[in-house]
Amino acid sequence: QVQLQESGPGLVKPSQTLSLTCSVSGASVNSGDYTWNWIRQHPGKGLEWIGFISSTGNTYYSNSPSLRSRVSISVDTARNHFSLRLISVTAADTALYFCVREEHRGFEDWFDPWGQGILVTVSS
Amino acid sequence: SSELTQDPAVSVALGQTVKITCQGGSLRSFFANWYQQRPGQAPLVVIYGKNNRPSGIPDRFSGSSSGHIASLTITGAQAEDEADYYCSSRDSSGNQYVFGNGTRVTVL
Repeated sequence: QVQLQESGPGLVKPSQTLSLTCSVSGASVNSGDYTWNWIRQHPGKGLEWIGFISSTGNTYYSNSPSLRSRVSISVDTARNHFSLRLISVTAADTALYFCVREEHRGFEDWFDPWGQGILVTVSS
Repeated sequence: SSELTQDPAVSVALGQTVKITCQGGSLRSFFANWYQQRPGQAPLVVIYGKNNRPSGIPDRFSGSSSGHIASLTITGAQAEDEADYYCSSRDSSGNQYVFGNGTRVTVL
């Protein structure tokens, strides 16, 4: 059974960098069939895709104005985890952050499974 | 188009059928996936691709699509189906992933 688990600080000061790690068990981040994603959910709101990293290390990020140019995602194959960095955070980055595997099959791709999520609050 | 539009809320009587829709121009080119999110839990995929149910998802959940509209149907809704449901797909460029704003399903 594949499981993902987010970890990192729950409180970040404005203008600082948010750093989260997703530990993967039951699957390898090296597998070519998947991409490894970050998705967030503002309190009481909907879901927002942040970006992904592929098994080959290719990355693709949201072009949303709220995220553009602030995001980076990396992978550590030795530790079988991937990470999110979001720079210059503001209160608008307060959200529940999920790490998620995306599976691909032909023209179909879907997010499964999801980590339980980690709440990050941006506040001084 | 980079937007997917859902009705904010819908209610259904226990055992009855409810259909949730998701509209967006990109759905003419890409499949929609459907995620169920119960309070305090992470989203869970219930339908992906053309009309596929992951293992463990009851067969009362089904998906369909026509033009720019994708639909999720719950046939014989149960109390445990009360949740928020989000559609997701790629945007028209194919390079971005987008979510609908979510539909809250209440089972009466």
